Amino acid sequence: NAGVTQTPKFRILKIGQSMTLQCAQDMNHNYMYWYRQDPGMGLKLIYYSVGAGITDKGEVPNGYNVSRSTTEDFPLRLELAAPSQTSVYFCASSYPDDEQYFGPGTRLTVT
Amino acid sequence: AQSVSQHNHHVILSEAASLELGCNYSYGGTVNLFWYVQYPGQHLQLLLKYFSGDPLVKGIKGFEAEFIKSKFSFNLRKPSVQWSDTAEYFCAVNKGTGGFKTIFGAGTRLFVKA
Repeated sequence: NAGVTQTPKFRILKIGQSMTLQCAQDMNHNYMYWYRQDPGMGLKLIYYSVGAGITDKGEVPNGYNVSRSTTEDFPLRLELAAPSQTSVYFCASSYPDDEQYFGPGTRLTVT
Repeated sequence: AQSVSQHNHHVILSEAASLELGCNYSYGGTVNLFWYVQYPGQHLQLLLKYFSGDPLVKGIKGFEAEFIKSKFSFNLRKPSVQWSDTAEYFCAVNKGTGGFKTIFGAGTRLFVKA
């Protein structure tokens, strides 16, 4: 039981480049989330999904896109990277209303 | 809008000192409450949670939290901290009607001096 896995662990992007952050969970959770964590700012919800084929915006969705074709996978796409997207990104999953299980995070730097 | 406030952004304690971290939320209805911990370089993991019942909740590693509904508070406590408790602590709240509405506080960084 791997829980929530994320790849890559680290990435450096140039301004304007694109990339996909991968997230997978093996706990059969319907709910999945993407957060970004900036120093002293807590966690900000980017996008979430309540099941395969269903996604919605969180607090800070601009510059990101998601898809959810299966229960297990919830990739996050950055289309045109900007320095403001330098952050640590966490994926999480849960049953409704219950504790969230977090992945190990992806540290992204955009220069 | 629903919000979660953690009063202390940074706390420094010596080993064996007692710990209390404050958490207040703004939502007046039924809530589910959580404390998560993030050790340096690691991801968030659950310390404890409260859904209903006894308002004093015990979690892992000797932590406990008390839900006081009249004060909209869910403070985290530990009688005697250890150096290994050095971490960032996050309070989180959801309405109990859909997990995607979980709101996290800004976090409290705890440093325990050996």
